[in-house]
Amino acid sequence: ETGVTQTPRHLVMGMTNKKSLKCEQHLGHNAMYWYKQSAKKPLELMFVYSLEERVENNSVPSRFSPECPNSSHLFLHLHTLQPEDSALYLCASSPSGSGGNTIYFGEGSWLTVV
Amino acid sequence: GQQVMQIPQYQHVQEGEDFTTYCNSSTTLSNIQWYKQRPGGHPVFLIQLVKSGEVKKQKRLTFQFGEAKKNSSLHITATQTTDVGTYFCAGPSGGFKTIFGAGTRLFVKA
Repeated sequence: ETGVTQTPRHLVMGMTNKKSLKCEQHLGHNAMYWYKQSAKKPLELMFVYSLEERVENNSVPSRFSPECPNSSHLFLHLHTLQPEDSALYLCASSPSGSGGNTIYFGEGSWLTVV
Repeated sequence: GQQVMQIPQYQHVQEGEDFTTYCNSSTTLSNIQWYKQRPGGHPVFLIQLVKSGEVKKQKRLTFQFGEAKKNSSLHITATQTTDVGTYFCAGPSGGFKTIFGAGTRLFVKA
């Protein structure tokens, strides 16, 4: 059982589609993250939110747009993606946004771009 | 920029053999964490080491933090098939970032 839940677990989308990934954490944490995991880069940080404020954007293309309406919810809006964006997208949370905090991952959303 | 390197990338062992993965950082770390990801699963936190030279054990797993706090190791004694997966080390990378190593994937043959 994980305190971080992600939906959908699997998503197939065309390059012109708009879709969103949703994440909810039930741990009372103040920081939330999006990571991308692929064969080329195993665990690549995308975004960090601390107390609902985006504090890190790790040079992510604008076709990925995060949204954090409150400290328990995080979205990743996807628009005009490329096939190379196919990967496992992991949401995570930690007690605070400080680097080196224990990170609790969700089960991930498998994204295939066709 | 800061790098965290892990070796080996892959390791195949016979069940019952020991296994070790090594993690090396280009900079001194205030702490280091280890995570395990089962095939098809998500990374799960195993342990955090904070002190120079610290050694912690979890059943058959032994974790060590180097004296200079730039390297760490995870040793599994007498591997079992339940140990299969990818083991990642991770450390703070300034600000709000935690940087992960590329992981060591362990295969255990029964």
